[in-house]
Amino acid sequence: GQNIDQPTEMTATEGAIVQINCTYQTSGFNGLFWYQQHAGEAPTFLSYNVLDGLEEKGRFSSFLSRSKGYSYLLLKELQMKDSASYLCAVSDSNYQLIWGAGTKLIIKP
Amino acid sequence: TAGITQAPTSQILAAGRSMTLRCTQDMRHNAMYWYRQDLGLGLRLIHYSNTAGTTGKGEVPDGYSVSRANTDDFPLTLASAVPSQTSVYFCASSDGRTSTDTQYFGPGTRLTVL
Repeated sequence: GQNIDQPTEMTATEGAIVQINCTYQTSGFNGLFWYQQHAGEAPTFLSYNVLDGLEEKGRFSSFLSRSKGYSYLLLKELQMKDSASYLCAVSDSNYQLIWGAGTKLIIKP
Repeated sequence: TAGITQAPTSQILAAGRSMTLRCTQDMRHNAMYWYRQDLGLGLRLIHYSNTAGTTGKGEVPDGYSVSRANTDDFPLTLASAVPSQTSVYFCASSDGRTSTDTQYFGPGTRLTVL
């Protein structure tokens, strides 16, 4: 079966750095997405990785290792507005997105 | 630009009744999707459409039907609602010109079936 694993919840302090991990087992791989979802709102796109390595975009970076079936999202200089759920999704062999359950990130002052 | 709109925002529905959730996008995207999101589970694909006039089944299609008469609209119909269909429903769209396009989501419809 296809499976995406992420921690259910994480807590971090304002101004700090946090890394959210995602491991996946899918039938095929056509890229990995990270989305942010604030409570009661729609998911919004953060990043896309299809090749191994680190993609940096401002305070957010995303890393991919295809051989390990592993990705992480790195958030730097955390702000209170970063409190949200972070969703990992993999595009499988049929180009359908398989979604993880999401990681709820709580930022404390 | 409005992007993707969904209606209604929320609804309480009696079991056995039918309902259509509406979704409209103004980005001229080829592909559209319906997902449901339940606590503790990832988004699950119900139905999708790669282009106007075509539809396909996702992971959890039973009890739902869709149509895609034109590019902009992608309604989702529950023919006879059951309590297990209580969920938050998201419509999404993507350009569809490449196979790994970013999906853009509507604000969601919160449906409660009693």
